[in-house]
Amino acid sequence: TQLLEQSPQFLSIQEGENLTVYCNSSSVFSSLQWYRQEPGEGPVLLVTVVTGGEVKKLKRLTFQFGDARKDSSLHITAAQPGDTGLYLCAGAHSGTYKYIFGTGTRLKVLA
Amino acid sequence: DTEVTQTPKHLVMGMTNKKSLKCEQHMGHRAMYWYKQKAKKPPELMFVYSYEKLSINESVPSRFSPECPNSSLLNLHLHALQPEDSALYLCASSDSGTANYGYTFGSGTRLTVV
Repeated sequence: TQLLEQSPQFLSIQEGENLTVYCNSSSVFSSLQWYRQEPGEGPVLLVTVVTGGEVKKLKRLTFQFGDARKDSSLHITAAQPGDTGLYLCAGAHSGTYKYIFGTGTRLKVLA
Repeated sequence: DTEVTQTPKHLVMGMTNKKSLKCEQHMGHRAMYWYKQKAKKPPELMFVYSYEKLSINESVPSRFSPECPNSSLLNLHLHALQPEDSALYLCASSDSGTANYGYTFGSGTRLTVV
């Protein structure tokens, strides 16, 4: 069974702090996505990374795809309460519908 | 229109009831998906439709019956469900037949089976 392990599982931090979430696998993915999901809502796509070593920035969020395309990280600078939610990474395999979701990181940012 | 619309938002049904969940997208996406998500867990794939044909059934019990009437609509018919089927049911769509560029998810139907 292919797994995408995320760490940490839970994170509770104060507003203004920085944090990093990791997404690791033993499999190579053709692309990897990060989503944020709020309670009672569907996941919202934040970013897609495709090239090994790729770095993408979305305001205070920085996403990196590992050189070997097996892992990824999400760094949030100066977290805000609006960043609270469940963060999910998901990996795709080229030419297939196979789409593996990570185990999830639940983030709570306290004001 | 860049949304996937799911109805109803909430559904409570008895174990003998028959109900349907509906999903609609007008982005021209040719692949549509049903996912089930239990509390504090990642989504689990149930069905994949590609070009209106069922291409993947992830060993889902027959009490769940998907239907794709056209390229914009996806239904999930429910019959004789069990309390353990209570979950958030998510519909998603994608442009290509793969997930290489991610999915657009609906906001889900919160299903409670009593």
